Amino acid sequence: QKEVEQDPGPLSVPEGAIVSLNCTYSNSAFQYFMWYRQYSRKGPELLMYTYSSGNKEDGRFTAQVDKSSKYISLFIRDSQPSDSATYLCAMSEGYGGATNKLIFGTGTLLAVQP
Amino acid sequence: DAGVIQSPRHEVTEMGQEVTLRCKPISGHDYLFWYRQTMMRGLELLIYFNNNVPIDDSGMPEDRFSAKMPNASFSTLKIQPSEPRDSAVYFCASSPGRDRGEQYFGPGTRLTVT
Repeated sequence: QKEVEQDPGPLSVPEGAIVSLNCTYSNSAFQYFMWYRQYSRKGPELLMYTYSSGNKEDGRFTAQVDKSSKYISLFIRDSQPSDSATYLCAMSEGYGGATNKLIFGTGTLLAVQP
Repeated sequence: DAGVIQSPRHEVTEMGQEVTLRCKPISGHDYLFWYRQTMMRGLELLIYFNNNVPIDDSGMPEDRFSAKMPNASFSTLKIQPSEPRDSAVYFCASSPGRDRGEQYFGPGTRLTVT
């Protein structure tokens, strides 16, 4: 079993839809949770960064962390064709020494149809 | 402020040749990471440095791979001799460290070994 599981998709939605992307994990020591967006032939771009459980909102994006269920989500409201990309979740135990390593999901390919 | 800079952006070489990939991290960041991304295996961490010192190279696939960080603003990843199975996109990322664990990625080097 992988430490981080993510449905690879592809996920196709119409423009304006609410998108829900999810990851599950097995390591209860993870404390830092991130979402990256990667356009085709580009490097991953940090989208959201949260610590521990709870919600964080940034514009049309909301990140949720449920540590009790070992489950994280990214919601995209009013999705746009420009949101079409691969979304990777990533997490780490901490920020010092070996715990600074990020463990990535395999990524979910999202296509927003105009 | 410039992000992570990588060169070259594309590299095509023949099997057996030496390949050197270069990275300039974001100024002031304490951590530098080298990743490899393929369709089959996703993002794999190869090695990372803290304050120019290699901390964990357990992801380096073979002795043919080596990485150096001679100063805070420059790192190289070398493959010698290269093989077709090394074909992938290689990313460099840097992280502020201290109380911040997020990583910022460069645009990547697309390596093709024929």
